[in-house]
Formats: sequence, structure tokens, C-alpha cells
Amino acid sequence: ETGVTQTPRHLVMGMTNKKSLKCEQHLGHNAMYWYKQSAKKPLELMFVYNFKEQTENNSVPSRFSPECPNSSHLFLHLHTLQPEDSALYLCASSQGAGLGVNEQFFGPGTRLTVL
Amino acid sequence: AQSVTQPDIHITVSEGASLELRCNYSYGATPYLFWYVQSPGQGLQLLLKYFSGDTLVQGIKGFEAEFKRSQSSFNLRKPSVHWSDAAEYFCAVGPVDQGGKLIFGQGTELSVKP
Repeated sequence: ETGVTQTPRHLVMGMTNKKSLKCEQHLGHNAMYWYKQSAKKPLELMFVYNFKEQTENNSVPSRFSPECPNSSHLFLHLHTLQPEDSALYLCASSQGAGLGVNEQFFGPGTRLTVL
Repeated sequence: AQSVTQPDIHITVSEGASLELRCNYSYGATPYLFWYVQSPGQGLQLLLKYFSGDTLVQGIKGFEAEFKRSQSSFNLRKPSVHWSDAAEYFCAVGPVDQGGKLIFGQGTELSVKP
């Protein structure tokens, strides 16, 4: 595997379900990001992790719970979601804060549908 | 507040015609500047980036962009568009004092007529 991978690519869940999105980067980076992309809206940064520590939470509802066990893996745990949470969830990685330029590399995304 | 504006939500060009996508940013200093492209159902792919130096930067797929400090702009250009260029294009700025954070514009959707 190369670059940034995300699984699953598609997910349909009910409002009472619990599911997790997984992201893995094979680039040796130290920073990872979750974005939400809804139709006709700009990319929304959700969370930032640098060296496994969360450095940004953009007022994301608690029904979204991130986890970063190491610099290569990032999870987004989902529970009791709402239909308006249906979107494409994108993961990205970069070298890390304080390590120069902040070019981000993106995964293909998980298309989430909440029924 | 830092912001990125892409004034054109949707652009349609004919195949073989030239293309220019506009991007303006608001930031106190010169940030890092990026253009990404997103094909339907896919993630974002980096087209090109500007950090410093020559204000005309070349990217992949025949794209180039020019940084104009006086206009706070970073417009994307291509001399001859191909049907495969149809996609959504995002301009982004990376404030130099905010680590890896990027601020994205709302995107411009490009359609290509045969």
C-alpha cells in the first residue's frame, strides 16, 4: 500500500449504530487530519493530530470521536449520528507541525450515509 | 481572519480551450499556496504548490499557477483543456505559523464540452 488509505470506502448506518472509519498513511508523516465534505459546502476541518496528540478540534459534536494510536493510523468512531452527518469523510496526512511546509496528502475518502 | 475565495463555483470550457481558475486569499503574510483537484468520489490530489521563489509554478497534468502578491491571488491556468480535466478544483493556503493546517476555498467545478 502506498499513500493514504481509508476503509471502508462506503458506509451506510442507522442513527443508533456504532461504526468506525479507519485511515492509514504509509508516508512516514507525523500529522493526520479528518475533514468532512458535504455537498455544496467547503471542506470542513474536524480534527488534527500531531505526533499522536490532538491539536485541533473544530467544535465537532461528541458523536464523532477520533483516535490516533500511532502516527500511521487514525480512526473516527461514530455513534448516534444524524442524517445531516451524511458526507464524504476525508483523511489526510502531512509531515507535521514545525517540520516545514504543510503539504497534505489525502485518502480517497469514506462516503457515509446515515439513515 | 484568514480566508480563501474562489469566485467561480462552476466553469464550463470547450475541450482545447484555455482555462483560468481564480483564487484570492486573505492573510497577513505570504502563506504557502496549493491547488488540489478532486475527481468524483475521490480524494484530493495535489496539482501544484508555491512556497517561495519563482512566482510561476508548474504542476502535474500541464497545469501552472502564478502567485501575485499585490493582488493576493494564486490563479490556476492550463493552455489547452482535456476532457479528463473535468473535476472540482480547490485552492488552499497554509499559514506559515499554523503548522500543517490548510484553509480551503469552496471549490470550482470544471465541466469540459466536447
